[in-house]
Amino acid sequence: AQSVAQPEDQVNVAEGNPLTVKCTYSVSGNPYLFWYVQYPNRGLQFLLKYITGDNLVKGSYGFEAEFNKSQTSFHLKKPSALVSDSALYFCAVRDRAPGGYNKLIFGAGTRLAVHP
Amino acid sequence: GAVVSQHPSRVICKSGTSVKIECRSLDFQATTMFWYRQFPKQSLMLMATSNEGSKATYEQGVEKDKFLINHASLTLSTLTVTSAHPEDSSFYICSARDRPGGGSTDTQYFGPGTRLTVL
Repeated sequence: AQSVAQPEDQVNVAEGNPLTVKCTYSVSGNPYLFWYVQYPNRGLQFLLKYITGDNLVKGSYGFEAEFNKSQTSFHLKKPSALVSDSALYFCAVRDRAPGGYNKLIFGAGTRLAVHP
Repeated sequence: GAVVSQHPSRVICKSGTSVKIECRSLDFQATTMFWYRQFPKQSLMLMATSNEGSKATYEQGVEKDKFLINHASLTLSTLTVTSAHPEDSSFYICSARDRPGGGSTDTQYFGPGTRLTVL
């Protein structure tokens, strides 16, 4: 079965500094990987995804993620963090269910705190 | 971008009553919608997948008779929590995936969530 792991419960960054939120994956076949962000008491917002092609994927709000096949990682990055980036970030991988449909398997989430 | 709405955003009900939550895709057609449950400070747990015009597929451990799902049209899915109990209190989030062949990106777009509190 497909899975993703987010090894950090929380990441603390000073405003203006670069940020990285880590994600590693375990899949059979080609991975379809996603990053979502969740603000308090809200649903998830799509940031970016990797299907195929360039290993560096650019997404919303200045975020990007680097797909690394040898390290089985898909870390989320941003060159300069904003206080408003503080939220809960989820990495996800697409899985194929027995019924033939696709579903997402989410990591445990990483809370990003950006300090002024 | 693709917008998904949920109604209500917050509901409080008495134990033993039923609650219906609606999930709508506002600017695209969704052949598949998903229902998740999220406990405080935890990740999302997929409850079921609903395909328009067919029965929902439930994840292992999710009671079909308790969590009734209907996906009657390409823009609307409903989740009904029947005979609700305090342990059903949670944050319920739906998502919708756009229609295959219609510029599908195989991306799920999420609703804002519904906070259910059962007294």
